[in-house]
Amino acid sequence: DIQMTQSPSALSAAVGDRVSFTCRASQNINSYLNWYQHQPGKAPRLLIFAASRLQSGVPSRFSASGSGTDFTLTITSLESEDYATYYCQQSYSSPYTFGQGTKLDLK
Amino acid sequence: QVLLQESGPGLVKPSETLSLTCTVSGDSVSSAYYWGWIRQPPGKGLEWIGVVWHDVNSYYNPSLESRVSISIDTSTNQFSLRLRSVTAADTAVYYCARRHQLGIGQWGQFDYWGQGILVAVSS
Repeated sequence: DIQMTQSPSALSAAVGDRVSFTCRASQNINSYLNWYQHQPGKAPRLLIFAASRLQSGVPSRFSASGSGTDFTLTITSLESEDYATYYCQQSYSSPYTFGQGTKLDLK
Repeated sequence: QVLLQESGPGLVKPSETLSLTCTVSGDSVSSAYYWGWIRQPPGKGLEWIGVVWHDVNSYYNPSLESRVSISIDTSTNQFSLRLRSVTAADTAVYYCARRHQLGIGQWGQFDYWGQGILVAVSS
């Protein structure tokens, strides 16, 4: 199985801050990397697919980059609704594993 | 707008079968997409369970493959999860979701998810 490792596991930031999370795959997954936002009690929300493509309706303050094994999700100018847990997921090969998540909370 | 809604019992006894249904609106389960299940045990991350396409192709997490099946009912526009011989380790919030195809220019992302349903395994 491909292991997905996210860092940090938790991050505190203030409204207006710029934050970045990383996701590392245990082997090359090309650009088959997706990012999701998950808030308690809500359905997970697709933010980014194909490593860097913004899902329709997602604000442009979200961006992502990377290919191969190393990926980054960046939020410029945090807003209050962005506090959530963020997961990366590889769709390169089955089983389509998720990272353990990065929890973003209010500083 | 595509909406998915999970339903089923919230409590299952050990060794029994967990059965959940996902009702889809705004799309057809006969469309080009895959339909799948993901779960999240308490305090843990997300785990991919499996996906199905047109009740013809199905792919499962090898860790669950001997106990799991996913099927489609086109007459009700629903798809279902069955997980046999459950234990306490199967206690989780179960999500249904729509998945894009994989291939050239197609990336296999889950773009629509249900709200999730908590299923506890306990006697």
